[in-house]
Amino acid sequence: ETGVTQSPTHLIKTRGQQVTLRCSSQSGHNTVSWYQQALGQGPQFIFQYYREEENGRGNFPPRFSGLQFPNYSSELNVNALELDDSALYLCASSSRPTSGGPGTQYFGPGTRLLVL
Amino acid sequence: GQQLNQSPQSMFIQEGEDVSMNCTSSSIFNTWLWYKQDPGEGPVLLIALYKAGELTSNGRLTAQFGITRKDSFLNISASIPSDVGIYFCAGRGAQKLVFGQGTRLTINP
Repeated sequence: ETGVTQSPTHLIKTRGQQVTLRCSSQSGHNTVSWYQQALGQGPQFIFQYYREEENGRGNFPPRFSGLQFPNYSSELNVNALELDDSALYLCASSSRPTSGGPGTQYFGPGTRLLVL
Repeated sequence: GQQLNQSPQSMFIQEGEDVSMNCTSSSIFNTWLWYKQDPGEGPVLLIALYKAGELTSNGRLTAQFGITRKDSFLNISASIPSDVGIYFCAGRGAQKLVFGQGTRLTINP
């Protein structure tokens, strides 16, 4: 077990709604990264947070946004949900800041989002 | 953009057999990682490789970082039923990991 926790485990939403996913990082880790994993694919990088600021972003539209809190936990928010947003959303924590490259990333169990 | 190609996409083997899978990239990565993902779970780190040419073992698992820093392989010896799952390679870039598509391993009893 990595010590990274995510909530909720499963979620069903309808198109156009908004969703918030939560992640608690492993003790001692100050960097949180979010990934989207579509069925049958490898995880795709959404963005990373370090010291409560976004520090690197993948090819995802602005309706994907996030927050990091002083205790290093993080939220992923997705607005105006689309059917293609259905996926497993993974959070990973690491102990190094991004300027030196992400440290070894440890993943949580993920949140399975289904958009109808 | 950066992309990793894993092969094979799937493997069907008998328990006790050795397994080999590899991963290639069009870009250079300074760190290669191998993860295993079970159904409904997040990826779990198996092996991390930091130096070109490095050969690292973790129990029955052995991985090597290619000299060109554009490829890596993972070997599993004497497979057992709990080895079933999807294996992902990942290259570590700035701020992110770039994953391959995965190799699905199925073991016939």
